[in-house]
This record gives sequence, C-alpha cells and structure tokens, in this order.
Amino acid sequence: EPEVTQTPSHQVTQMGQEVILRCVPISNHLYFYWYRQILGQKVEFLVSFYNNEISEKSEIFDDQFSVERPDGSNFTLKIRSTKLEDSAMYFCASSGGGHNEQFFGPGTRLTVL
Amino acid sequence: QQPVQSPQAVILREGEDAVINCSSSKALYSVHWYRQKHGEAPVFLMILLKGGEQKGHEKISASFNEKKQQSSLYLTASQLSYSGTYFCGTEWGSGNTGKLIFGQGTTLQVKP
Repeated sequence: EPEVTQTPSHQVTQMGQEVILRCVPISNHLYFYWYRQILGQKVEFLVSFYNNEISEKSEIFDDQFSVERPDGSNFTLKIRSTKLEDSAMYFCASSGGGHNEQFFGPGTRLTVL
Repeated sequence: QQPVQSPQAVILREGEDAVINCSSSKALYSVHWYRQKHGEAPVFLMILLKGGEQKGHEKISASFNEKKQQSSLYLTASQLSYSGTYFCGTEWGSGNTGKLIFGQGTTLQVKP
C-alpha cells in the first residue's frame, strides 16, 4: 500500500540553524501539506501546496518557513533560523484532491537546543 | 478558532461503545476523523462531506449534522486496538486548499 515517507525521523539542531525536512508524498497525489504537533498537543496546520505553489498558509508559517517541490517526488519544509519553540513533530501529508482524505507520513521530530 | 471535541477522555471495557463529538462555531464543509497512537502519525478513519458523502473504514461509522455544525464518531464493540487519541479535522470553506483545523483530541482507553 502506498504511503507517505519522511526523513529524517529525528533532527536535533542548534537555535538559529537552518533545517530542511523532507517528504515523499504518495505518487499520484497532487495536494501536499505540512502540519506540526507540539508534544501532547493537537495537530496544527502549517501550509498547503498545490500546482507548485502555496494554496494556503497559517499564521505560524511566517517568513522563516518555506516549502518547495524540487523535483517530481520530494516535498520539503525549510526553517531558516530555528527557534526553541519550533521544537515539535512535523508531519507531511498528501491527498488526491483538496477535499479528499489526507494521508500522513510518520513525522520528523525536530528538537531545537 | 478550533473545533471543540467532547468528551476529553473516555475509558471503556472491551466490547463497550463510545461516541466522540466534534462541534464547530463556523459552517463546515467537511469533517475528517483520525486516530493517533502515542508516538505515531495520525491515521485516517473517515471523511464526511457537506451534502452527505462519506468515505472511510467499514467498521467505523460517523454522522455529520451540517445544520448543527457537528459531527459524531461512533465506536461500537470496542477492541483494545481502538485505544488512542481521536482528532476531528474540519474544513471551513469550499475553497479547495484542504486546510484542516483540528480539535484538541479525545483520548480513548480500552481495557480488557
């Protein structure tokens, strides 16, 4: 069964450093998303991406964040200058349509020291 | 503003039933239900769309009351594997971005 994959599974970084989180969505999906979940809290929407551009973003997704689909398979989230409060689990998800079910990857745990 | 889930936590014995509710203060286009086990990704359970369409697992049932802006997830004859945190994710507009706003979650524990 096709699934969303994410790398790395755990990333530890120093405050102020740049990180890139990688995702490979399900191959025939067209809509891609990033969510984050601070430990013990709810899942929060960051950004949706369709047709090579951002279709919607939340207030969390400020100028420090960017997304890219550098090739036909990868979808990346870049945080330019990490802060302590960026520590969270970051989930990538993909769907076949804007109102379709979203399938989540296993997540990348980001720890900012 | 996030949807509100109730109850916050449920403890069941195997074989018992549970209902988890999700209420929104804004008109809903769709409601998505997910289950998350500790340390794992949310797993899709069901999507309910405005107009009555539903897609999901055979053993899961849910309702969507568009007028009341509410959805309920029905877990019947619960099994140990049902334990986890259940989240509803809501779409508030017909715009095709897929943005989901999640509730705070309902923790379900099924005991033998």
